[in-house]
This record gives sequence, structure tokens and C-alpha cells, in this order.
Amino acid sequence: EMQLLDSGGGLVQPGGSLRLSCAASGFTFSNYAMSWVRQAPGKGLEWVSTISRSGDSTYYADSVKGRFTISRDNSKNTLHLQMNSLRADDTAVYFCAKDHRWAEAFDIWGQGKMVTVSS
Amino acid sequence: DIQVTQSPSFLSASVGDRVTITCRASQGISTYLAWYQQQPGKAPKLLIYAASTLHSGVPSRFSGSGSGTEFTLTISSLQPEDFATYYCQQHNGYPRTFGQGTRVEIK
Repeated sequence: EMQLLDSGGGLVQPGGSLRLSCAASGFTFSNYAMSWVRQAPGKGLEWVSTISRSGDSTYYADSVKGRFTISRDNSKNTLHLQMNSLRADDTAVYFCAKDHRWAEAFDIWGQGKMVTVSS
Repeated sequence: DIQVTQSPSFLSASVGDRVTITCRASQGISTYLAWYQQQPGKAPKLLIYAASTLHSGVPSRFSGSGSGTEFTLTISSLQPEDFATYYCQQHNGYPRTFGQGTRVEIK
């Protein structure tokens, strides 16, 4: 069974840093682009970032560009999101997600991790 | 950036009803559109990709149509487990934008 398990998250002060991780199992991780999507409390879904299969290409939403870094370790089947200079409006549940084989849609999702930015 | 606008934001329906949700893109995206269902407190689930292709395991009462800038998600006969929030998402390049969501509630 294809699965993604998110870890990390928690409470951090404004301006602080946090690292999210996502462990993949049940599929060949290196064959798929991977992404992070977030959802602020009571709000809709917001795409955050995507990394290519090899890790050579990365893409970011304007709202996180320059502050967040997506990376992957294909030898360990793990995806990461390093979040720096965190702001209150970064407070959200963060999901990792796998691209569908035939389309840039998200067919497998992690369970999500809450990140709260507050003093 | 391509914007996607969903309508309605909220709809109230009964079990057995036919339900249609619309998504409009700010520019043509061919058929690069996906639909998701999200239950409260859960991760979203992919229903449809490429505008009309049903994802594996999704019941056939769900269908999608459209191309260019206008798309629809139809649930032919609403079931109790279908009461949820639905999102469209364009997958024609970056940023990959989502619609605002449509909450489907029991009448």
C-alpha cells in the first residue's frame, strides 16, 4: 500500500524555523515528483512547493519563496520542507503529497502536520 | 498566474440528489484539472484528474467534464458519505492553484 507519513510540526515563535519530513513507502519514491500543500485553520488548500523526481528542479508559491526550501533524499525515501522566517500566516496543517503517474495531480497524501506560529 | 474560481461555495442537498459543482480557470488550461474530496479533519482524496478521468477506486457516480476554462464535477446520486468539501486544482504548470472549495451539506 502506498503511504506517506508526515512528521515534525509544532509550535514555533514568529521568525523561527521548523523542518517537516515525510516518509514514503509502498512505491518507488524516486519515480515521482513530490509536493507540500497547506491548509490554514478553516480555510482552503494552498499549494506550497514541488520538487522534481531527481530533486534538480524546485517550485515555490510566492508566499513562501525565499523562506522555505523543499528537498528530498531518494536513498531514504524521504521528503523535507525547511521553513525559516516563519510568520503567523504560515500557521496551517501541512500535507506532503505525491504526483499521480500520469498527471500533476496529487494522488497520495500524508496525514498532515499542524504548524502553529505564535508568540 | 492562473486563478481557478469554484461555484457555489456552499450547497445544501439531499441523499439521492444530482449535484454539480463548477470550476472556472482565468485562462485556458486544456484538460489539466483535478477534483478532490476532503472530509473534516482528513487529508484530501483525489477523485478525478485530466478533467474527466476517474481516479482508481472512486465510485462511478462521480464524473468530470470540461476543457479550456470551464469545468464541472457531477455527483449523479448523492450518498451520505459524499457530504464533504470539494476542491478543483489546475495542473497546467506552476503555481498549481486550487479553487476556494465547495462545501456540500445535508439538506
